[in-house]
Amino acid sequence: EPEVTQTPSHQVTQMGQEVILRCVPISNHLYFYWYRQILGQKVEFLVSFYNNEISEKSEIFDDQFSVERPDGSNFTLKIRSTKLEDSAMYFCASSDVQGRLASGDEQFFGPGTRLTVL
Amino acid sequence: QQQVKQSPQSLIVQKGGISIINCAYENTAFDYFPWYQQFPGKGPALLIAIRPDVSEKKEGRFTISFNKSAKQFSLHIMDSQPGDSATYFCAASKYQGGKLIFGQGTELSVKP
Repeated sequence: EPEVTQTPSHQVTQMGQEVILRCVPISNHLYFYWYRQILGQKVEFLVSFYNNEISEKSEIFDDQFSVERPDGSNFTLKIRSTKLEDSAMYFCASSDVQGRLASGDEQFFGPGTRLTVL
Repeated sequence: QQQVKQSPQSLIVQKGGISIINCAYENTAFDYFPWYQQFPGKGPALLIAIRPDVSEKKEGRFTISFNKSAKQFSLHIMDSQPGDSATYFCAASKYQGGKLIFGQGTELSVKP
């Protein structure tokens, strides 16, 4: 069964450093997302990406964040200067909204990258 | 208006019992209401989803009840099993491919 993969599984960084979180969405999916989950809290939307551009972003997704699809398979989230409050689990998700699948709305989530900012 | 409120925060059910988790929303533009199941250390996985044109959807032991007028929807897990122990999130989105707004989550524990 196809799945979303994410690397690394755990990233530890110093405050102020840049981090890049990587995701490989499900092949042939068209919409890509990043969400985050601070420990013990709900999952929060960060950004959605379609047709090589951001389609929607949340208030959390400020100038310190950026996303990129550098090639046909990877989807990355970059945090330029990490803060302590960026410590969270970051989930990548993808979906096929063309309706080719019975569950065309379903967003498939990866296993997450735990980011720890010291 | 963008919030989805979920209750209870935690739930303990005996094996074989019925687990019920409730969610409420305010924004009538929401058009898609999924429930996600999350095990520790894993990403959320879609369990079951509903659109507002139906009042109930059942898949195996899992049923969503949807009350459009009250802007509420709930997840019922029949014959709950210890393997169902996980965190459950309701969510809502306005359109196909749109961002998911998640509820706070319910930590379900099914006792053998």
